[in-house]
Amino acid sequence: AQKITQTQPGMFVQEKEAVTLDCTYDTSDPSYGLFWYKQPSSGEMIFLIYQGSYDQQNATEGRYSLNFQKARKSANLVISASQLGDSAMYFCAMRENTGGFKTIFGAGTRLFVKA
Amino acid sequence: DAGITQSPRHKVTETGTPVTLRCHQTENHRYMYWYRQDPGHGLRLIHYSYGVKDTDKGEVSDGYSVSRSKTEDFLLTLESATSSQTSVYFCATGGGQGINYGYTFGSGTRLTVV
Repeated sequence: AQKITQTQPGMFVQEKEAVTLDCTYDTSDPSYGLFWYKQPSSGEMIFLIYQGSYDQQNATEGRYSLNFQKARKSANLVISASQLGDSAMYFCAMRENTGGFKTIFGAGTRLFVKA
Repeated sequence: DAGITQSPRHKVTETGTPVTLRCHQTENHRYMYWYRQDPGHGLRLIHYSYGVKDTDKGEVSDGYSVSRSKTEDFLLTLESATSSQTSVYFCATGGGQGINYGYTFGSGTRLTVV
């Protein structure tokens, strides 16, 4: 069965520093997608970044990068130059690439950015 | 106009009553999903739809049913609400922008069962 694990319930980072949010996954499917979503205190879910299982290079989107280590089944999110507005809950997710393209989510990591 | 609209945004209902939550999209996305969000669990899939009248169960489907009579609308029904169904419910759509895009989410419905 597919599984996503986020072991950090909460993280603190100083403004302007980089932070890594951990995510490990488990699947027997060779084709899948990995995602990170942000949920600010206002409650909406915001898609941040995507990594395909066959992608050779790590995905980047502005200050977000996904450190994809396939052999270790990890998909850590790196946020560079943290800003106060980055304070939010972050969810790692994995989507199957067949059937209903269903996505499973980790429990989330709450990030606090300190001024 | 928002791409996905959930209604109602908030609802308080009594144990044992049926409740229907509505998700309306203007994105023309094929796939639609209902999730519930609870502390410590992230988001868990309740039901999903891969086309009009085509639906299937997710991991926490007991006590819930869905219907999709039009591409735009995906309804979630709690047949007889229980306190354990107090949660925030999110509708999401996918498939419109391509495989390397995430879902588009609605704003959520906060449901309290008393």
